[in-house]
Amino acid sequence: AQKVTQAQTEISVVEKEDVTLDCVYETRDTTYYLFWYKQPPSGELVFLIRRNSFDEQNEISGRYSWNFQKSTSSFNFTITASQVVDSAVYFCALSDSGAGSYQLTFGKGTKLSVIP
Amino acid sequence: DAGITQSPRYKITETGRQVTLMCHQTWSHSYMFWYRQDLGHGLRLIYYSAAADITDKGEVPDGYVVSRSKTENFPLTLESATRSQTSVYFCASSESYRETQYFGPGTRLLVL
Repeated sequence: AQKVTQAQTEISVVEKEDVTLDCVYETRDTTYYLFWYKQPPSGELVFLIRRNSFDEQNEISGRYSWNFQKSTSSFNFTITASQVVDSAVYFCALSDSGAGSYQLTFGKGTKLSVIP
Repeated sequence: DAGITQSPRYKITETGRQVTLMCHQTWSHSYMFWYRQDLGHGLRLIYYSAAADITDKGEVPDGYVVSRSKTENFPLTLESATRSQTSVYFCASSESYRETQYFGPGTRLLVL
């Protein structure tokens, strides 16, 4: 069965520090998709990135970067030079055909607090 | 472009009452989903729909009913609300089963 583990429940960093949020997944499929979503204190879920299992290239978007390693089943997310506005809960999610429909399976989230 | 909207945003009801949460999307996405978010459980799928008149159960469907007569709408009904259904409910939509799911703003439901 598919599973997503975000072992870090809460992380606190001081502004301008770099921080990495870990995500480990389990799936039996060879074709699957990985996602990161951000949930700021206002409560909405904001899509950040989608990755398919055939594309292991790391991606950088501004201060955000993602490291996808199939060998360790990990899809980690790094924020460089963190800012207070980065304070949020971050969810990693997996979509595969395990449930027959490419449903999203979410990790339990990592709460990031950036202290000014 | 409104995207995906949910109503009401906040709802207080009593045990045993019927409650319907509305979800509307303007993208003509085929797939729509309902999740609930609870502390300690993250987000869990309640029901999803691949197209109008096609729905299927997710991880936690008990106590909920859905329908999808039009592509753009996907209401979720709690037939007889229970305290355990106090939660934040999110609706989402995607173009296809492989594509990114985009979420509505959520509905906070309190069952007394």
